Amino acid sequence: DARVTQTPRHKVTEMGQEVTMRCQPILGHNTVFWYRQTMMQGLELLAYFRNRAPLDDSGMPKDRFSAEMPDATLATLKIQPSEPRDSAVYFCASGSQGLAGYTGELFFGEGSRLTVL
Amino acid sequence: GQQLNQSPQSMFIQEGEDVSMNCTSSSIFNTWLWYKQDPGEGPVLLIALYKAGELTSNGRLTAQFGITRKDSFLNISASIPSDVGIYFCAGLNTGGFKTIFGAGTRLFVKA
Repeated sequence: DARVTQTPRHKVTEMGQEVTMRCQPILGHNTVFWYRQTMMQGLELLAYFRNRAPLDDSGMPKDRFSAEMPDATLATLKIQPSEPRDSAVYFCASGSQGLAGYTGELFFGEGSRLTVL
Repeated sequence: GQQLNQSPQSMFIQEGEDVSMNCTSSSIFNTWLWYKQDPGEGPVLLIALYKAGELTSNGRLTAQFGITRKDSFLNISASIPSDVGIYFCAGLNTGGFKTIFGAGTRLFVKA
């Protein structure tokens, strides 16, 4: 049963601490996305990768957020230092490939719920 | 940047009723997608539309890709309690990878 796996599911931390969220995309999916969901802003696209290369990270606050794909099976989103306004659910999604290329169909993980006190 | 306007924001309906929600944009998209999110879970793809005018069904769900390519709608027939959740529309342009999401429609179904 192929699925996107995210860890941790829940994280409570104090302001100023470093937070790292991890994602294992579906095997064979080479487009990986990070979204943030809040009640006020909905689903915001933070960054995305194609074949492990970052294509667009304009949705991320650059001073404190960083996203990487060390290898094809792992994507990371790091916040340093964390602030209370970063509290949200962070979703990783991977995009499927069809015969004609990228289909646009995203498969989401269950999310990492972050609370920064 | 591109934005999707999704309406209504929320709907409260009785079990058995039909539901209709839509999504509009000021710019053209070449792919429209509809997702559902259950509480505590990530969004799950319901229907993908790739061609203007296309009408696609998935069980009790039917979605259409507007002729102008600037809108799409989703209908749910004979709603049941497990239809409760947030429904998101999303748009993507050909050759691109950036999927934009609407703000979602929260559906509540009373048994």
